[in-house]
Amino acid sequence: DQQVKQNSPSLSVQEGRISILNCDYTNSMFDYFLWYKKYPAEGPTFLISISSIKDKNEDGRFTVFLNKSAKHLSLHIVPSQPGDSAVYFCAATDSGGGADGLTFGKGTHLIIQP
Amino acid sequence: NAGVTQTPKFRILKIGQSMTLQCTQDMNHNYMYWYRQDPGMGLKLIYYSVGAGITDKGEVPNGYNVSRSTTEDFPLRLELAAPSQTSVYFCASSYSRTEAFFGQGTRLTVV
Repeated sequence: DQQVKQNSPSLSVQEGRISILNCDYTNSMFDYFLWYKKYPAEGPTFLISISSIKDKNEDGRFTVFLNKSAKHLSLHIVPSQPGDSAVYFCAATDSGGGADGLTFGKGTHLIIQP
Repeated sequence: NAGVTQTPKFRILKIGQSMTLQCTQDMNHNYMYWYRQDPGMGLKLIYYSVGAGITDKGEVPNGYNVSRSTTEDFPLRLELAAPSQTSVYFCASSYSRTEAFFGQGTRLTVV
């Protein structure tokens, strides 16, 4: 049973346009959400996070939106750049629960077209 | 600042062999984790530790063992390697129960 779902295995976006990556979750205990970026042959690197007490968090070109009622979050990248081409993982945790790590989605491969 | 260091980067094992994947972090983090990533899948938690001397099972612990004798080190032991353990293994550490920092990964093939 997947608790974190990224339903788009891949997404192609033109350079300079907006990239929108989506993530859904089923566990209502999740209260902290993260996005990780992963290049081939490297470990995931933290990108941006959001607590359930907020509905938006911004960091430069990256914005994460959280809709708790829909159990949905999205990552917006504006403008998209060639270096953004990578696999993006959505992750979630119950920050007040056990220290049993992050639950990850399967990832979305973002391809930025020149 | 090295962060999280994993060795080796690549390894080929024969069925039934054993090996230890090493993981060291220099950030003085209490929380450490081992994940595996299979092709087209997300990362799945194998084992985790909340501090030296304390370890617990994650989602997919079968066929693995861990120890945590120091804050810095969290080795993962594979006994009797099986083809199903062919995967990329990531070690991670965190200060709190949220953002985790990952190592570069160990690509393991069992033949």
